[in-house]
Amino acid sequence: AQRVTQPEKLLSVFKGAPVELKCNYSYSGSPELFWYVQYSRQRLQLLLRHISRESIKGFTADLNKGETSFHLKKPFAQEEDSAMYYCALSNTNAGKSTFGDGTTLTVKP
Amino acid sequence: ETGVTQTPRHLVMGMTNKKSLKCEQHLGHNAMYWYKQSAKKPLELMFVYSLEERVENNSVPSRFSPECPNSSHLFLHLHTLQPEDSALYLCASSHTGRSDEQYFGPGTRLTVT
Repeated sequence: AQRVTQPEKLLSVFKGAPVELKCNYSYSGSPELFWYVQYSRQRLQLLLRHISRESIKGFTADLNKGETSFHLKKPFAQEEDSAMYYCALSNTNAGKSTFGDGTTLTVKP
Repeated sequence: ETGVTQTPRHLVMGMTNKKSLKCEQHLGHNAMYWYKQSAKKPLELMFVYSLEERVENNSVPSRFSPECPNSSHLFLHLHTLQPEDSALYLCASSHTGRSDEQYFGPGTRLTVT
């Protein structure tokens, strides 16, 4: 069975501080991992995916197969980063997506 | 309108009512999804349709009945709901039913009284 765990329901940091949102997954095959973000009063949208290896809005995430993790990191958090973040895993064969329970990030001024 | 749209945006219904939620995507995608988002369980996958065929049904009660008449439209028919079904219902689409990025609609806020 595939599972995504985001251990922190709430995370609060000060502006300019580094931030790391944790994501661990359980899947026996080769997963595709995603981070989605939902800003206040906006729809859920893709932030980044591991295969693109991009930095979006200063965020990066590296897939660590040994630790089965896909943590989201940003060196200097901004107030506009405050949002709900979901880690998601996709089964490349059957197309089944599993989302974590989400982490609400608050960046304080 | 572009992207994924959902109507209505808000719905209040009694437990004996029958209503339908509508989702439409203008992205040329072949897969569509229904999710339930609530405070108790942030994001639950309900149904997946790929090329108009249901490929995923996550043990959803029969009072929720999906319909996908074509690859651009997805409905969720509701009948005899319970108060615990009150939630935000999100529709999403992707290019295929495989490991593609999903595009989400704004959701329908459902309240069951």
